[in-house]
Amino acid sequence: GAVVSQHPSWVICKSGTSVKIECRSLDFQATTMFWYRQFPKQSLMLMATSNEGSKATYEQGVEKDKFLINHASLTLSTLTVTSAHPEDSSFYICSARIPGRGRETQYFGPGTRLLVL
Amino acid sequence: LAKTTQPISMDSYEGQEVNITCSHNNIATNDYITWYQQFPSQGPRFIIQGYKTKVTNEVASLFIPADRKSSTLSLPRVSLSDTAVYYCLVGMNRDDKIIFGKGTRLHILP
Repeated sequence: GAVVSQHPSWVICKSGTSVKIECRSLDFQATTMFWYRQFPKQSLMLMATSNEGSKATYEQGVEKDKFLINHASLTLSTLTVTSAHPEDSSFYICSARIPGRGRETQYFGPGTRLLVL
Repeated sequence: LAKTTQPISMDSYEGQEVNITCSHNNIATNDYITWYQQFPSQGPRFIIQGYKTKVTNEVASLFIPADRKSSTLSLPRVSLSDTAVYYCLVGMNRDDKIIFGKGTRLHILP
């Protein structure tokens, strides 16, 4: 089946630094990818939609200057958390639609655990 | 985007059949019903999708009545490894995005 990978799987950083998370579609091309954030015991919260070759669209309340998204190719989207603070500590998950499948069908990456000290 | 309601949590025992029902009274004509499974510290995994009647795959079955206002995910003979959160999603919002609800936290006991 379709596979979406994320790197790194976990990262610890100091407050004020920037962290980049990669999301790759391994065996298909994804023109659209999505980034979610999940806090403990909570559901996934959609942060933004990443569109290949164009600007990402952000959900209400998500700071686009803090969470930079780049979708430079059909298989790679990156999320950069700039000037990270402890409240940015969370589980970040990306997903991608599979071409030819229903719009409601997405494949998710394994997630990236971010801990900001 | 149809609002969904599902139980917050359920407990069951190994070897039992587990049925999780999701209500979606305002489902639209062209909406599909999709279920995802999420283990702790992992991304969600697509389980099954259906439009009407019954769909079965190697993992689960999905039962959808004629009015499509609810659906039931059926997991046969569960094991401890089926302990997870199960999300029922119906349709997409006006911006063509999937929005997750709270899900059902299923706990399988030995």
